Amino acid sequence: EIVLTQSPGTLSLSPGDRATLSCRASQTISNAYLAWYQQRPGQAPRLLMYSASSRAAGVPDRFSGSGYGTDFTLTISGLAPEDFAVYYCQHYVDSVTFGPGTKVEVK
Amino acid sequence: QVQLKESGPGLVKPSETLSLTCTVSGASITSTSYRWGWIRQSPGKGLAWIGNIQTSGRTDYNPSLRSQVNISVDMSKNEFSLKVTSVTAADTAVYFCARVRAVAAATSYLYYGMDVWGPGTPVIVS
Repeated sequence: EIVLTQSPGTLSLSPGDRATLSCRASQTISNAYLAWYQQRPGQAPRLLMYSASSRAAGVPDRFSGSGYGTDFTLTISGLAPEDFAVYYCQHYVDSVTFGPGTKVEVK
Repeated sequence: QVQLKESGPGLVKPSETLSLTCTVSGASITSTSYRWGWIRQSPGKGLAWIGNIQTSGRTDYNPSLRSQVNISVDMSKNEFSLKVTSVTAADTAVYFCARVRAVAAATSYLYYGMDVWGPGTPVIVS
C-alpha cells in the first residue's frame, strides 16, 4: 500500500508569497496517478492538478505541479487571499490514498 | 453542468447501517469514462477514501473498510449509493461523493482526478 506524507503540516505565509508544498510517496509511483486538491473550510475538495503537473479546468496558472518517482511538489507562485486552505495530494490506482494535508495559513 | 448531491440520514445509531445516496445531474452515470466514489472526512481530520464503483459493476474498496461497506449503482435513477454496516462513533464524518475521470487506454487507463464533488453530508453516529 502506498503511503503519502506531506510537508510541512502548516505553512504560514502572506498574500503574494510563493508557497511550496511537498508530497512524498513510500515507493515510486507514476506521475500519471498523482493529483492535488484544495479544500477551503466548510467546502468540498476541489481538483487542482492531475498527472502531477496538469492543471484541472478553471485552475489559475499560479498553481503548478512537478515531480516524479517519490517526490512531488505543488507550487503557488503568488498567494491570493482565496488560496489559504488545506491541500491534499492523492495517489490513484485501483485503490486511492490521500496524504494528510498541508494547511496554508495567513502569517 | 455536472452536479452531485449526497442525501441520507444525518443521525444513525451505533450498530445500525448507514445508507447514503449520491444523485448525479447534468451527466449520465453510464458513461464509461467515469467511476463514482465515496470519500469521508472525520471531524478535524483529513480525507479518507471509502471506495469506487464503475458502471460495469466493479467495485474497489479501502482495504480497511472492505468488510463494512458496499457501493452500488442504480443507472435508471442516475445515482449510486453507499452502505456502511455496524457503524460506531468512528464512522461519524462528513461523507462526500465524487466523480472520478478515468479513461481506458491501451493496457491501462488515464486518470484525470476526482473532478466533481458533492457538497458533502454530515453523519453523526450516536
